[in-house]
Amino acid sequence: GENVEQHPSTLSVQEGDSAVIKCTYSDSASNYFPWYKQELGKRPQLIIDIRSNVGEKKDQRIAVTLNKTAKHFSLHITETQPEDSAVYFCAATLDTGFQKLVFGTGTRLLVSP
Amino acid sequence: NAGVTQTPKFQVLKTGQSMTLQCAQDMNHEYMSWYRQDPGMGLRLIHYSVGAGITDQGEVPNGYNVSRSTTEDFPLRLLSAAPSQTSVYFCASSSGTAMTYGYTFGSGTRLTVV
Repeated sequence: GENVEQHPSTLSVQEGDSAVIKCTYSDSASNYFPWYKQELGKRPQLIIDIRSNVGEKKDQRIAVTLNKTAKHFSLHITETQPEDSAVYFCAATLDTGFQKLVFGTGTRLLVSP
Repeated sequence: NAGVTQTPKFQVLKTGQSMTLQCAQDMNHEYMSWYRQDPGMGLRLIHYSVGAGITDQGEVPNGYNVSRSTTEDFPLRLLSAAPSQTSVYFCASSSGTAMTYGYTFGSGTRLTVV
């Protein structure tokens, strides 16, 4: 089955810096890669996703890149703000049937003012 | 429109006790699932359902039972609680595949088994 590794486990940046979180997946058939943000004590919420037929997707300060050959995808946050502080999870799945999302272990991002 | 509602928010159980975590959604979603979240391990799928009367196992199903008698409700039953089941449990629902519709998560149930 699919296995997703996520690095780093913690990331501290200064406000205004960029942050990059990286994930690798094992199943080359996976074709959908969402990213979730979870603030302290809250539920995970989808922030951006990418499909296997796309190499990059942007949404304001957030971007995700996908390298299918290397089987890795990354989340990029530019001009970080304190409200970006949260735990970020990557996930991977096949777009068939139920689509069991397999999550990475999470990255705790701390943005210091 | 309440979305996905989980009850209770917090629960302490003694080893061997049983209990049911409730999950209800009012969005007429066909797909529902249960995840557990443990420190350093991300979210892991316990059980899922693709419609009323249809359930299947996820990655970590042992010690848990589910049923789906209605579209709205998807309860998770712990038959005999163990300390290893101490975790935060999230219910999620979707009107279809994650790629097309995305998941909506409930607010979670923090369970402690002593």
